[in-house]
Amino acid sequence: DTAVSQTPKYLVTQMGNDKSIKCEQNLGHDTMYWYKQDSKKFLKIMFSYNNKELIINETVPNRFSPKSPDKAHLNLHINSLELGDSAVYFCASSQSLAGELFFGEGSRLTVL
Amino acid sequence: GENVEQHPSTLSVQEGDSAVIKCTYSDSASNYFPWYKQELGKGPQLIIDIRSNVGEKKDQRIAVTLNKTAKHFSLHITETQPEDSAVYFCAVTRSQGNLIFGKGTKLSVKP
Repeated sequence: DTAVSQTPKYLVTQMGNDKSIKCEQNLGHDTMYWYKQDSKKFLKIMFSYNNKELIINETVPNRFSPKSPDKAHLNLHINSLELGDSAVYFCASSQSLAGELFFGEGSRLTVL
Repeated sequence: GENVEQHPSTLSVQEGDSAVIKCTYSDSASNYFPWYKQELGKGPQLIIDIRSNVGEKKDQRIAVTLNKTAKHFSLHITETQPEDSAVYFCAVTRSQGNLIFGKGTKLSVKP
């Protein structure tokens, strides 16, 4: 039974399109995150939600909009995709903000 | 803001040898220092962590040491095995409370 699951695992799309990545955690955690991992493996936080409320929003373009319908879900919607958005996006959850992070398997986004 | 430097970026060792990865950080208020291992095609996974009130922690073949005065901490893996091959990330807490990650070390253990 997967703790943090995200879909889709692979996403190939054209520049200018809009796409979404979904994330669900069944660990009962209060805090969820989106991280972006570029081709050099650098892991950078994008957003953090605690109990459905946005608590961290790094310098991310407005084209990225997270949505948390409940504390077990944190989805990421991306508008007007650009080549530079190509990366692996990881969802994660933790019991508290500085607690152990549990990552999903990642969603590899390729923008052509 | 908080900065984390991780070295080396790549490390190749023979099976059975030890591997050491080092991280330095800038914010003296940081108090939690985890290490994550990322295998190919998977998400990172916590392997060991240390809090600022201790200087060393060990779990079987892996250990972490922390020098708060010098603001650096290290991951030590002894008797390396091929399954230790992965990318390793250090992390520290930021003032906002969340973690910031180092740039990763790709460890290759040759049989």
